[in-house]
Amino acid sequence: QKEVEQNSGPLSVPEGAIASLNCTYSDRGSQSFFWYRQYSGKSPELIMFIYSNGDKEDGRFTAQLNKASQYVSLLIRDSQPSDSATYLCAVGGGYQKVTFGTGTKLQVIP
Amino acid sequence: DGGITQSPKYLFRKEGQNVTLSCEQNLNHDAMYWYRQDPGQGLRLIYYSQIVNDFQKGDIAEGYSVSREKKESFPLTVTSAQKNPTAFYLCASLASGSTGELFFGEGSRLTVL
Repeated sequence: QKEVEQNSGPLSVPEGAIASLNCTYSDRGSQSFFWYRQYSGKSPELIMFIYSNGDKEDGRFTAQLNKASQYVSLLIRDSQPSDSATYLCAVGGGYQKVTFGTGTKLQVIP
Repeated sequence: DGGITQSPKYLFRKEGQNVTLSCEQNLNHDAMYWYRQDPGQGLRLIYYSQIVNDFQKGDIAEGYSVSREKKESFPLTVTSAQKNPTAFYLCASLASGSTGELFFGEGSRLTVL
């Protein structure tokens, strides 16, 4: 059984700070890693994906992957109140089946 | 505009009734998925289909059924056998060759009275 684990939070950060969201996964064969943002009552939207070890940056977002440690993280720089949402970590394998974590709720305090 | 349309957005059902949730996509994606989300929980896979006329059970398929007669459509029926059907249901699709970047519909919220 694949597992993806996240701290449920809430993670509270002041506006302008860096928010760090973490995720671990159990299946060493996992190949693709995703971060989705979900606002309350809405559907998830993809914000980052990463396939290779290291960092991937897109605007204020940086995804970090360490396959040896089975660890993936999302950094949000200059956090804004509009970043307040639940962030879902998702892991995909070779059969395009994607397993989601339970999500971390982020609160950015103005 | 291309996208995924789910209907209805809100649905109330009496115990013992079957209900069908619609999911239509015009993205020309081959694979389609149904997920269930409970409050404070992640997404759990109900069924998925990688090609027309073929579908596979996900992690929580009991009490649900699907069909995939057309590439564009993947309806989900919540049967009376599903013991706790109140949840937020999400349909998603995946482009061929993609490694897992899912596109989601807006969701259907089912409440059993």
